[in-house]
Amino acid sequence: GQNIDQPTEMTATEGAIVQINCTYQTSGFNGLFWYQQHAGEAPTFLSYNVLDGLEEKGRFSSFLSRSKGYSYLLLKELQMKDSASYLCAPDSNYQLIWGAGTKLIIKP
Amino acid sequence: DGGITQSPKYLFRKEGQNVTLSCEQNLNHDAMYWYRQDPGQGLRLIYYSQIVNDFQKGDIAEGYSVSREKKESFPLTVTSAQKNPTAFYLCATGRGLTGGPGELFFGEGSRLTVL
Repeated sequence: GQNIDQPTEMTATEGAIVQINCTYQTSGFNGLFWYQQHAGEAPTFLSYNVLDGLEEKGRFSSFLSRSKGYSYLLLKELQMKDSASYLCAPDSNYQLIWGAGTKLIIKP
Repeated sequence: DGGITQSPKYLFRKEGQNVTLSCEQNLNHDAMYWYRQDPGQGLRLIYYSQIVNDFQKGDIAEGYSVSREKKESFPLTVTSAQKNPTAFYLCATGRGLTGGPGELFFGEGSRLTVL
């Protein structure tokens, strides 16, 4: 079967660094997406990893290990606007499989 | 502007009524999707279409219907057979099977409440 596991909720302090982990089991794996979703809004694209390693994009970085079925999203210099849910979505045969997401709470 | 337009943004329905949610795109994407999201849960796939005049059931298609008569349009009808329709509905587009990686682009969503 297909399965995605992320922590339900995390709390971090403004200006700090946080790492959100995701483990997955899928067939026909073609890569992994991370999306950000603010409450009541649609998800927006953050990153895509297809090869093993770290992809850096400004304050956000994403890591993938295909052999371990593991990814993480790293957020640096946290800002209050980063309070949102972060969705890990593996691409399985060109269909995205969605986890429940991790709600990130940023405290001043 | 290129994008995806969903309407209405908010909709109230009485029990027993059918309602149709609109989704229009001008991104020239082949694939279109309808998802349902309930509080604290992930996105669940209702229906998707990879090409005009063809669509496939997702994980929770019961009580819903769709059509894909034009590339730009993929309306979703929530029928009275859907037992618990109150939810946030998201339409998304993608480049489809021929377009490579499955990045999705989302509309702003439609929030349906059954009274």
